[in-house]
Amino acid sequence: KAGVTQTPRYLIKTRGQQVTLSCSPISGHRSVSWYQQTPGQGLQFLFEYFSETQRNKGNFPGRFSGRQFSNSRSEMNVSTLELGDSALYLCASSLGGAGVQETQYFGPGTRLLVL
Amino acid sequence: QKEVEQNSGPLSVPEGAIASLNCTYSDRVSQSFFWYRQYSGKSPELIMSIYSNGDKEDGRFTAQLNKASQYVSLLIRDSQPSDSATYLCAALTGNQFYFGTGTSLTVIP
Repeated sequence: KAGVTQTPRYLIKTRGQQVTLSCSPISGHRSVSWYQQTPGQGLQFLFEYFSETQRNKGNFPGRFSGRQFSNSRSEMNVSTLELGDSALYLCASSLGGAGVQETQYFGPGTRLLVL
Repeated sequence: QKEVEQNSGPLSVPEGAIASLNCTYSDRVSQSFFWYRQYSGKSPELIMSIYSNGDKEDGRFTAQLNKASQYVSLLIRDSQPSDSATYLCAALTGNQFYFGTGTSLTVIP
């Protein structure tokens, strides 16, 4: 079974631009979560989508938004980029339930550099 | 109070020794717990999950869960230099995953 895929893998943008990142979950997984990771920082939770609805949300400004499509693929958008948005953006997928067997798997990440 | 807490380290052990990584969680209703390994510049990779009290072994790795103490640990036996990485502890509470900040482990040859 194919793993979580993310595109693009690397991206360079300038301040003020916007960017869209894409994530395709493992087949059969309905939940997609997005995280931001900066050097020396832990995983910062952005939001989670399940069945095309945002189910959980972290403490990020409204410049960060996302959506999920009917095939469970998800996109994350960052508008008006700031230098501090330079980070590794990770997507993780899971079945989306709350059972003890629920497990989250990560994609390879998109490394964003804002100049 | 953070949902999941870990000592940030760094933790250094000699090759062949046992590395012990610890994690505490704050929500008693958390139902499952996970250990991920993350190499520098890479994404987290799942090592083990555990949801029952006690020990769970997988090769050189043993996860331990003590729900009464709200404590999860990961033991790495016969540590190898390739085990040098950051280890993330995570808890599943309801339908949301919570991650610790990670413990950096260095295995010295």
